[in-house]
Formats: sequence, structure tokens, C-alpha cells
Amino acid sequence: AAGVIQSPRHLIKEKRETATLKCYPIPRHDTVYWYQQGPGQDPQFLISFYEKMQSDKGSIPDRFSAQQFSDYHSELNMSSLELGDSALYFCASSSQGQGANQETQYFGPGTRLLVL
Amino acid sequence: GEDVEQSLFLSVREGDSSVINCTYTDSSSTYLYWYKQEPGAGLQLLTYIFSNMDMKQDQRLTVLLNKKDKHLSLRIADTQTGDSAIYFCAETFTGNTPLVFGKGTRLSVIA
Repeated sequence: AAGVIQSPRHLIKEKRETATLKCYPIPRHDTVYWYQQGPGQDPQFLISFYEKMQSDKGSIPDRFSAQQFSDYHSELNMSSLELGDSALYFCASSSQGQGANQETQYFGPGTRLLVL
Repeated sequence: GEDVEQSLFLSVREGDSSVINCTYTDSSSTYLYWYKQEPGAGLQLLTYIFSNMDMKQDQRLTVLLNKKDKHLSLRIADTQTGDSAIYFCAETFTGNTPLVFGKGTRLSVIA
């Protein structure tokens, strides 16, 4: 079965640079979530989108922005990168209103970002 | 506010049962999940339970929910070395709202 695809899988940037992470949800999933997992930490919710509109907002810094496109893929744009942004960034997708199995969030493999 | 608590470490012998515990504080949580994360890898959904259920069994996995005490547990029968990983419990109000994760329990299986 198709899973959530994230690219790139690894990214190395320097401080003050920008980065763009991409997420391709499971086919027919309309909701995308972004989570950040620091080293040794639990995943923290950043932001989510449903049908191309922002649906929930978590602890996403103002330096970050995200959007969902007409094909339901999503991009997380990160600017003025800081050392503390080094983390694993997960995207998850689900389908609204289709029962618990579809509403469950399925995670991609993550993008590991290292800021030097 | 929401808070999910787990013990940080658990060590068991291969072939024994493992029980990973989780407590949550948000009584409005409707869905409770268990995810597995192997070193350097993503989050793999293991199982989930609705808040109106007491128990769910799926092969070697048994989930018990005590809604009164807001306590969730994951039992892994016949634990194998491949079960060594970090196990996160997570809660959400509905299936399409953000997940709130516990800190994760690192399970070590000794051969």
C-alpha cells in the first residue's frame, strides 16, 4: 500500500539559510500534519491542513510557514534557520470523516534536518 | 492542558511479555494510539483504541484502557529482539486533530 512520502530524507543547512520540506500524503487523504521531533524528544505538532486550508496550529515558529497544494501535497518552508531547528520533521496524513481507520494519522519516514 | 505520561525505560527478556503504561489527563480524548519508533526511523502505527472500548487485541498486542483512571497499557506477548524500540502513546480528541504524544518508553529486549 502507498505510504506518506517525504523529501528530502536528509538535509544539511547552515545557520540563517532556508529549507523547504515536502510531503506527499497517502492517495485520497485530504489532511496533512507536520510534527517536529528533537533529539531524544517526543514529536511536537507544528501545523495541519485540510482541503488546502490551515486547520490547526501548534508550536510552529514565525520563521516557518507551510501550505497545502491542490494535489494535497504540502511544503514546510523554514527560514533563518537556527541550530535548534535541527530535528526530525515528520509529515502525517489522514482522511476526514471516513471512520477511525481512515482518520488515523499515518506518518512518513521523516526528513532529518541538520543545521550547522 | 493535555499531558501524556509514560515511564522512560523497560527491559524484558526475550519470550517474556512486555507491558508499557501510559496515563493521560484529557478526559475528552476519543482516540488513543500506540506508535513504534526504531532507531533513526519513522513512526509506525501499531494499534489504536476508541475511548468507548476497554480492550483491543491484535495478534501479539493487547491494549487495555481504563477510562476512569485515564490509564492505557500496551502488552506485547512473546517479546522478540525485533520489538526493541521506543513506544509512544498518543491521544487526540477526534481522529483529525493533532496528536499529543507521551515522552516514549524505550523497550530493550535481552536475548
